Amino acid sequence: GAVVSQHPSRVICKSGTSVKIECRSLDFQATTMFWYRQFPKQSLMLMATSNEGSKATYEQGVEKDKFLINHASLTLSTLTVTSAHPEDSSFYICSARDWGGGTPLHFGNGTRLTVT
Amino acid sequence: SQQGEEDPQALSIQEGENATMNCSYKTSINNLQWYRQNSGRGLVHLILIRSNEREKHSGRLRVTLDTSKKSSSLLITASRAADTASYFCATDAINTDKLIFGTGTRLQVFP
Repeated sequence: GAVVSQHPSRVICKSGTSVKIECRSLDFQATTMFWYRQFPKQSLMLMATSNEGSKATYEQGVEKDKFLINHASLTLSTLTVTSAHPEDSSFYICSARDWGGGTPLHFGNGTRLTVT
Repeated sequence: SQQGEEDPQALSIQEGENATMNCSYKTSINNLQWYRQNSGRGLVHLILIRSNEREKHSGRLRVTLDTSKKSSSLLITASRAADTASYFCATDAINTDKLIFGTGTRLQVFP
């Protein structure tokens, strides 16, 4: 089945530093990947849609200069949290489809970011 | 917000009982999907029901969809302790590639 690998699973960083999270589709090509953020005991909030070879599409209220998304290949998208602050601490999850719209999403296992 | 609502927010039952979760959404959809999330993990797809379908089964799962009421339900029959997780509905809206998740139901099944 389609597998999405997300790395790292946990990261702790100091305020002001940047953190990069990788999302890879291991056995399929993903022209589109999605980045979600989840607060404890809450739902997933879509942050942005990552498009291979073009700029990401950000949801309303998500700072594109804060959350840099790069989708350089059909199997890799990265999310960089720049100048991290404690309020950026959260669970970040990526996902991708192995077919077009209307099909299920395959999720990575998420990254727990803690900013101290 | 486009986010759907689920109820109940939390549900505790004994093994062997059935669990029913409900989802309401706001937009016109191509399909509605249900996902499961174990604590601190990613989501796993359970079942997809298209807008022209009314009911679908997969193992112990039964999903209904009422597009006139913009609502769906997920029934887990003969629950097991291993079914303990959070369950989310997600809507695949028309003319968009995005999947929007509901608020989720935390299910606890006691042995």
